Amino acid sequence: KAGVTQTPRYLIKTRGQQVTLSCSPISGHRSVSWYQQTPGQGLQFLFEYFSETQRNKGNFPGRFSGRQFSNSRSEMNVSTLELGDSALYLCASSLGLAATGELFFGEGSRLTVL
Amino acid sequence: GNSVTQMEGPVTLSEEAFLTINCTYTATGYPSLFWYVQYPGEGLQLLLKATKADDKGSNKGFEATYRKETTSFHLEKGSVQVSDSAVYFCALRGDSGGSNYKLTFGKGTLLTVNP
Repeated sequence: KAGVTQTPRYLIKTRGQQVTLSCSPISGHRSVSWYQQTPGQGLQFLFEYFSETQRNKGNFPGRFSGRQFSNSRSEMNVSTLELGDSALYLCASSLGLAATGELFFGEGSRLTVL
Repeated sequence: GNSVTQMEGPVTLSEEAFLTINCTYTATGYPSLFWYVQYPGEGLQLLLKATKADDKGSNKGFEATYRKETTSFHLEKGSVQVSDSAVYFCALRGDSGGSNYKLTFGKGTLLTVNP
């Protein structure tokens, strides 16, 4: 079956702009989690959505937001981009809540902020 | 809060060498422990897991034992191959509800295996 699909794979933005990233989970999976991966900080948890509701949130400023649609697809948005937002953004899906089972990761969206 | 500390890389080995990547954790209660692997250009994949003390997770020749007394979950493989070159992440899942009930990852260890 198809894996987790993230779009776009690569994008370049400038400071102050906003960006929207998309994640399509594995069919039947109801949870989508988002992580930011940087060389210095490693993988940091952004938030998790399950059945269109945010179930858990990491320690990121309010510029980072997300949502989940009825078909379980999820989007995350970063507003007023800063240089430090340059990172690989990973999405992971799971059948139930992320904490209860295995996470399946997409290949990520690599964001560069100039 | 929960945290995971794993050995800094990069680790460079020759084919057929023995591999150990250290991982220690800080958590209350009885967390579950995981190793994920990220091959070049790909997303993370679950490699193995252990859900209670003294459990041994194993997969593809890799092993890790959940040691509660030393709060460790070291990854080992007896004979590495070039195809094992990847970044390895140790992760923890808290056992209680609320903000701890999520995966917390270490920073990753880059392994390069030379022929």
